[in-house]
Amino acid sequence: QKEVEQDPGPLSVPEGAIVSLNCTYSNSAFQYFMWYRQYSRKGPELLMYTYSSGNKEDGRFTAQVDKSSKYISLFIRDSQPSDSATYLCAMSVGNSGNTPLVFGKGTRLSVIA
Amino acid sequence: EPEVTQTPSHQVTQMGQEVILRCVPISNHLYFYWYRQILGQKVEFLVSFYNNEISEKSEIFDDQFSVERPDGSNFTLKIRSTKLEDSAMYFCASSSRDRNTGELFFGEGSRLTVL
Repeated sequence: QKEVEQDPGPLSVPEGAIVSLNCTYSNSAFQYFMWYRQYSRKGPELLMYTYSSGNKEDGRFTAQVDKSSKYISLFIRDSQPSDSATYLCAMSVGNSGNTPLVFGKGTRLSVIA
Repeated sequence: EPEVTQTPSHQVTQMGQEVILRCVPISNHLYFYWYRQILGQKVEFLVSFYNNEISEKSEIFDDQFSVERPDGSNFTLKIRSTKLEDSAMYFCASSSRDRNTGELFFGEGSRLTVL
């Protein structure tokens, strides 16, 4: 079983839609969960960071972690064409500078005006 | 806004040649990383570097790979004898001492094509 699974899409939605992006993982040692956004020909940039189970909201973005199900989600409300990008989930077992991030494959999102 | 810069943006090389990819991390950051992304695949961790030494490395980071911080500003990844399967986008990243935000700052990547 792969460590982090993410549906690669592509996902195409109309402007204003609510978008739900998901990842599952197999390693119960993961404690820190992140969502990165990657525009074409750019490096990933951090969107959301959460620790342990629960919800975290930042503007139009909500990150959700369910450790019992080993499932994380990112919700985007009122999606905009500028949200069109690849969204990568990432997780780690610790938060020290040495700890590697393990990424999902990324979901490619297109928001159509 | 401070950013991580990488050169070259694209390098084409012949199999067996040595390649050096260069990165200038954000100036007050202390942790430095290389990740790579083979086309259509996941972003994969290669190595982390702190206090002038490797702190973690993955199975991918074998004896063909090395990293160096030669002058206090640059951070380089060397591949000694490139293979076809080394073709990928290589991302440099850096982070501050406090990783509690989980934030790695990534460069735009160096695309390596091995022929």
